[in-house]
Amino acid sequence: DAGITQSPRHKVTETGTPVTLRCHQTENHRYMYWYRQDPGHGLRLIHYSYGVKDTDKGEVSDGYSVSRSKTEDFLLTLESATSSQTSVYFCAISETGMIAFFGQGTRLTVV
Amino acid sequence: TQLLEQSPQFLSIQEGENLTVYCNSSSVFSSLQWYRQEPGEGPVLLVTVVTGGEVKKLKRLTFQFGDARKDSSLHITAAQTGDTGLYLCAGARDNYGQNFVFGPGTRLSVLP
Repeated sequence: DAGITQSPRHKVTETGTPVTLRCHQTENHRYMYWYRQDPGHGLRLIHYSYGVKDTDKGEVSDGYSVSRSKTEDFLLTLESATSSQTSVYFCAISETGMIAFFGQGTRLTVV
Repeated sequence: TQLLEQSPQFLSIQEGENLTVYCNSSSVFSSLQWYRQEPGEGPVLLVTVVTGGEVKKLKRLTFQFGDARKDSSLHITAAQTGDTGLYLCAGARDNYGQNFVFGPGTRLSVLP
């Protein structure tokens, strides 16, 4: 199995609170991504990183921020959680830009 | 608007049957990937196809990329219960992940 770990795996939080999800990789891959998966929408890109401190927005970036201070860690922060951000979040990594490995996901519920 | 459409949305078959699922778009992709996702897990890459008309086989699974690089199919021969899962296609509009779009998936159930 590829060395990619997401934490936490499950979280319940209240509306308006900040939440940070962590993705950790041991593959030394250059590219890291955050996706959310919702019924009927498939996987949608939130943010991605193409190197340390190099990040850019994806399709559904509003309300989310990211940071990558080390090659192995990519953090996703929900600045003020809303019910519409209830979802399953997946981190992915790639060396070539073609996504190869996904994490196991984080199920986030905002109440 | 879904850039990638997948059909059927749901499919339930008996073990031993053959099936084909489809991934269609009006856009041209530089490559296309197929994944299988099991409940509670992340998607697992099955195959990448990059050339129009390309056919790739992975044991009982046959993947085809359309000649115009706008569509793809996945054919499973003699389905097994272990094939159960969500099958996702994803198209790359270039070689970078930010232009990589996913279809909504086909949920396959193979019954014993």
